[in-house]
Amino acid sequence: SQQGEEDPQALSIQEGENATMNCSYKTSINNLQWYRQNSGRGLVHLILIRSNEREKHSGRLRVTLDTSKKSSSLLITASRAADTASYFCATELTGANNLFFGTGTRLTVIP
Amino acid sequence: KAGVTQTPRYLIKTRGQQVTLSCSPISGHRSVSWYQQTPGQGLQFLFEYFSETQRNKGNFPGRFSGRQFSNSRSEMNVSTLELGDSALYLCASSPGLAGGLSYEQYFGPGTRLTVT
Repeated sequence: SQQGEEDPQALSIQEGENATMNCSYKTSINNLQWYRQNSGRGLVHLILIRSNEREKHSGRLRVTLDTSKKSSSLLITASRAADTASYFCATELTGANNLFFGTGTRLTVIP
Repeated sequence: KAGVTQTPRYLIKTRGQQVTLSCSPISGHRSVSWYQQTPGQGLQFLFEYFSETQRNKGNFPGRFSGRQFSNSRSEMNVSTLELGDSALYLCASSPGLAGGLSYEQYFGPGTRLTVT
């Protein structure tokens, strides 16, 4: 499968703690994107990191990309209860015009 | 700008029937992609349209088809529905400039299809 694999599958933390999610993929990519989904609703784009970038920040989010290891991580700092959601990584493969989604990490932030 | 809209939001159909789902992209976006989300298979790419042309297609049977109109609105059709087609169908739009899709996608709220 070209889908990414994410770990952990589920993560439960206290409000204020940091959350780290990891994504691994199999083939060369143009870019990797992270999305959030609240309880069966549409996905919300968080960050896009291109294959020639190594790190990107957006507010409390930090994404890293290691193309040699074919892996990425998403760090959410100072988590809030509102961050409770499923988080997906998605890869745009070289030569393809669509996204391949990972299996997702279910994050629960306990108030 | 208004976001991506999908209609209907919920749908219940019987096995063997057909269904048409609609998606209106963000104004100015020319690329529309469709995804199926199920608990077992996760998020899977169905197809992508750009300027009324299908540019890419996922690994789904021919019962799944789509089209895009000149105003970039898109429809997908599923014929001869099976129980396994029950899913959340998500539409996403992006500017989709020629040469690739290196932009984030904006997703609609989805259509929840239940096949009985």
